[in-house]
Amino acid sequence: EAGVAQSPRYKIIEKRQSVAFWCNPISGHATLYWYQQILGQGPKLLIQFQNNGVVDDSQLPKDRFSAERLKGVDSTLKIQPAKLEDSAVYLCASSQTRNTGELFFGEGSRLTVL
Amino acid sequence: LAKTTQPISMDSYEGQEVNITCSHNNIATNDYITWYQQFPSQGPRFIIQGYKTKVTNEVASLFIPADRKSSTLSLPRVSLSDTAVYYCLVGVSGSARQLTFGSGTQLTVLP
Repeated sequence: EAGVAQSPRYKIIEKRQSVAFWCNPISGHATLYWYQQILGQGPKLLIQFQNNGVVDDSQLPKDRFSAERLKGVDSTLKIQPAKLEDSAVYLCASSQTRNTGELFFGEGSRLTVL
Repeated sequence: LAKTTQPISMDSYEGQEVNITCSHNNIATNDYITWYQQFPSQGPRFIIQGYKTKVTNEVASLFIPADRKSSTLSLPRVSLSDTAVYYCLVGVSGSARQLTFGSGTQLTVLP
């Protein structure tokens, strides 16, 4: 079974530029999550989707971050404009349903903002 | 949200049993306890989840006392490849708020 796919693995941009990350969850998984992990810290939930609807985006900095999952399968997370403090690994995870603590994570996309 | 407290780091030797304790004094009645493992440059991996008493799978055991104010992840006979960060999460199954990670415990297994 294929795991959660993310791209790109690495991205370096200048501050105020934009960047987008893509995630393809495990086939059949209805719930998709985006996390931000700053070096030395645990992952922080940014947004949770159930199919193509947003369940929780309370920790998403909506002035610069946006995410969509239009067809309820793959998802894109965008940052515009990027700030230095956005340097982090962006992790995508999926689960079969909302009612589980078992998430399957991708390898992440490492963003460096200069 | 129930706050969790874990040791920042632990060292062990190959072949030993390792116990990592997590404190969650304000755990709510409906909260579950979940543990994840994370290797460098990888996403976290689910290890085990429990509500009370003891849960065991092929990888680890989870011990939860009656008051549920703490839990212990037990890794039998660790190897060098078990060197990783281990996260304890407490929350309500089905809620995104369950999925709040702390800083975790860095376990280093020595030869």
